[in-house]
Amino acid sequence: NAGVMQNPRHLVRRRGQEARLRCSPMKGHSHVYWYRQLPEEGLKFMVYLQKENIIDESGMPKERFSAEFPKEGPSILRIQQVVRGDSAAYFCASSPNLGVWGTGELFFGEGSRLTVL
Amino acid sequence: GQQLNQSPQSMFIQEGEDVSMNCTSSSIFNTWLWYKQDPGEGPVLLIALYKAGELTSNGRLTAQFGITRKDSFLNISASIPSDVGIYFCAGQLRETSGSRLTFGEGTQLTVNP
Repeated sequence: NAGVMQNPRHLVRRRGQEARLRCSPMKGHSHVYWYRQLPEEGLKFMVYLQKENIIDESGMPKERFSAEFPKEGPSILRIQQVVRGDSAAYFCASSPNLGVWGTGELFFGEGSRLTVL
Repeated sequence: GQQLNQSPQSMFIQEGEDVSMNCTSSSIFNTWLWYKQDPGEGPVLLIALYKAGELTSNGRLTAQFGITRKDSFLNISASIPSDVGIYFCAGQLRETSGSRLTFGEGTQLTVNP
């Protein structure tokens, strides 16, 4: 049973370009979460999605950042007009569909490391 | 928002020693999770706790959910070199935050052979 798959693992962008990060949840999981981790810090919540719905985006910056989880295909975290401060590791996690709030157990992918030059 | 204080920030121990780290919160959680992260990898779930007072073991790891619901600790017994990594606590309060996890800042563990 494959785990959470993220790609690309590493992405380099120049300031002003767009970054697209993709996440395929574990098989049977319909809840997806995106977290950001700066060097030597903990993970900070960004957004929680179910298929075709954004449930909680309270951790997402209001501008330049967007996320989607379409009916078919992976979840996408999109960062427009990237700036140096966007450089970080972006982790996706998934959990099973057990009620509105899923379960406490989130399973993480390997992360996508974004470097903005 | 909720904040987690995780301590110690780092630990340097000898192989075979026991380790203890803990997390405290300014508010209650109804789930506590402990993760380990190796360099360049994603966090891996070690132990999940769902009930105040619960004590759970996973091999050499033991974790407890504090009775006040505001703290948790993780113990590692008889440490080995592969225990090296960053350990994160995470709390969840589903009534207000759904499945969102709040993470501590991590404990960096170094084990000297």
